[in-house]
Amino acid sequence: DGGITQSPKYLFRKEGQNVTLSCEQNLNHDAMYWYRQDPGQGLRLIYYSQIVNDFQKGDIAEGYSVSREKKESFPLTVTSAQKNPTAFYLCASREYTVSDYGYTFGSGTRLTVV
Amino acid sequence: GENVEQHPSTLSVQEGDSAVIKCTYSDSASNYFPWYKQELGKRPQLIIDIRSNVGEKKDQRIAVTLNKTAKHFSLHITETQPEDSAVYFCAAPGGSARQLTFGSGTQLTVLP
Repeated sequence: DGGITQSPKYLFRKEGQNVTLSCEQNLNHDAMYWYRQDPGQGLRLIYYSQIVNDFQKGDIAEGYSVSREKKESFPLTVTSAQKNPTAFYLCASREYTVSDYGYTFGSGTRLTVV
Repeated sequence: GENVEQHPSTLSVQEGDSAVIKCTYSDSASNYFPWYKQELGKRPQLIIDIRSNVGEKKDQRIAVTLNKTAKHFSLHITETQPEDSAVYFCAAPGGSARQLTFGSGTQLTVLP
């Protein structure tokens, strides 16, 4: 999967339940990102992290949380506070030390509320 | 932060014709402009990018042009083929961490 792996591929969440999406990369990239994609729309930034133990809110962080305890891992938790979580979630990484490079994306997780 | 606008939202062309997708950006400090192709249900794939020190870059049937004065950049696909059908996104960096802001996407359909 090009060095960045997301799991699971499909995830179903019940009302009021927290779920965690996994993102792991072996590219030795410093920066990692979470984007949300709704049908027919672009990618919106949820959270990003430039170094271990540090992360920043993106444009639509409400109802989500993240952690960055290891360089390789950047899990995203969708909490019960996120009222409309059904979407396609994409994780990406980039070599932070190299200025302005493109992202490598994971294959995505499709989350559905049931 | 950065604001990226992309047009058109949908584009249909006959096989063999050319396709052009345009984007504008707001942050004059942006100096890197990638284009991604996303097939249905799959991850976006980087297809071409351009830096601000050049005005045009080509890779076989794909080219990107940049006008920094007007703050817009365009994707050109020549001799389109059915396998070019996909959603295309432009992006530009902004914010303190130079995180990418994406356009809203263009659904390109190449008709056989």
